[in-house]
Amino acid sequence: DAKTTQPTSMDCAEGRAANLPCNHSTISGNEYVYWYRQIHSQGPQYIIHGLKNNETNEMASLIITEDRKSSTLILPHATLRDTAVYYCIVRPILRGAQKLVFGQGTRLTINP
Amino acid sequence: DTGVSQDPRHKITKRGQNVTFRCDPISEHNRLYWYRQTLGQGPEFLTYFQNEAQLEKSRLLSDRFSAERPKGSFSTLEIQRTEQGDSAMYLCASSLRDNYGYTFGSGTRLTVV
Repeated sequence: DAKTTQPTSMDCAEGRAANLPCNHSTISGNEYVYWYRQIHSQGPQYIIHGLKNNETNEMASLIITEDRKSSTLILPHATLRDTAVYYCIVRPILRGAQKLVFGQGTRLTINP
Repeated sequence: DTGVSQDPRHKITKRGQNVTFRCDPISEHNRLYWYRQTLGQGPEFLTYFQNEAQLEKSRLLSDRFSAERPKGSFSTLEIQRTEQGDSAMYLCASSLRDNYGYTFGSGTRLTVV
């Protein structure tokens, strides 16, 4: 079962920052937070992951609270192509623990 | 294109028929995963290979389902005696090593009529 809670849907204006929250209150010390997104009719796409420090790449930033019980994915300047379902997933660091467990995700709609 | 390739993209079959899907992972990736996704739901894990060894199978993978990865390269997923409940998108993904992000293919959409 998924260990995360996300809002079902969100809207954001084009050009604004999209902030997607995720609760993972039962996360343990050996679990990463991963974010994927899925654009309609495509396979999921990896965005970013982190353990306890904030992370940034060319796609997004990941802010993880100090207690690690929640995180926020930030798309700094959302475009219409960012409309997708966004999945927040916790996954053990342990060697060989490979499975990603997807929940329902957040359906993000970017409006012109 | 060096992404994950899945074939076919779409498959319509009659109930009771067998179907086989193929996945070609990124060439240097030794880990390969199969997922199933129904409308409005997130992907559900089916099975996982490291090289040619099938290391984990979900209880969703009934005895009508079988997956292989001969020689640790491409993989096939076969569904025997298809049922209408098998209608879904079947997704394949690969990764290089532990804790790396997966790269997913575009999936095979199966419709059982």
